[in-house]
Amino acid sequence: GAVVSQHPSWVICKSGTSVKIECRSLDFQATTMFWYRQFPKQSLMLMATSNEGSKATYEQGVEKDKFLINHASLTLSTLTVTSAHPEDSSFYICSAPEGGASYEQYFGPGTRLTVT
Amino acid sequence: QKEVEQNSGPLSVPEGAIASLNCTYSDRGSQSFFWYRQYSGKSPELIMFIYSNGDKEDGRFTAQLNKASQYVSLLIRDSQPSDSATYLCALWGYSSASKIIFGSGTRLSIRP
Repeated sequence: GAVVSQHPSWVICKSGTSVKIECRSLDFQATTMFWYRQFPKQSLMLMATSNEGSKATYEQGVEKDKFLINHASLTLSTLTVTSAHPEDSSFYICSAPEGGASYEQYFGPGTRLTVT
Repeated sequence: QKEVEQNSGPLSVPEGAIASLNCTYSDRGSQSFFWYRQYSGKSPELIMFIYSNGDKEDGRFTAQLNKASQYVSLLIRDSQPSDSATYLCALWGYSSASKIIFGSGTRLSIRP
């Protein structure tokens, strides 16, 4: 299957600072990538769809000014959590479809964010 | 009604038995269906996808799709302790605006 990487795998930051998370498709091009957030013992929550060359599409209730998404190239999308607060502490996961009729999604390994 | 519904479990199955995981969906326009496995603290891993009615087998895993009943299932034969995880059912269709819609997941526990 396709490989998606994320960096960093975990990060601790102080309240009020910003954190950038990178998502890369390693062996395929992705015009679309997805960003999810997952709290403990809960399912994935789609935050936004990242579109190469255009603005991201945010899900209802997700603050676009707080969670900045940039899809700089066909293999890289970044999520920046601005002015992070403890309630932003979560597991952030990106995914990318390899394409084709089946629309298989491949997930990155995730980034554990802890805001102190 | 949720778009994708799964029993949250936990579902406990003895080692070596067949584990049966079920999922129903509300959108008849859904095209493709996926089963992901997620271990605690890890990201989801694609196990199988299916888009035609019937069964699809891959090793110990069999996915079953019945579009008329809007039902998709995953069977795990010869269950192993390493199969203990949360299994996420997901779907994609033209009406879902190119997004994968996930169910809330079923926790499966294989007891030795």
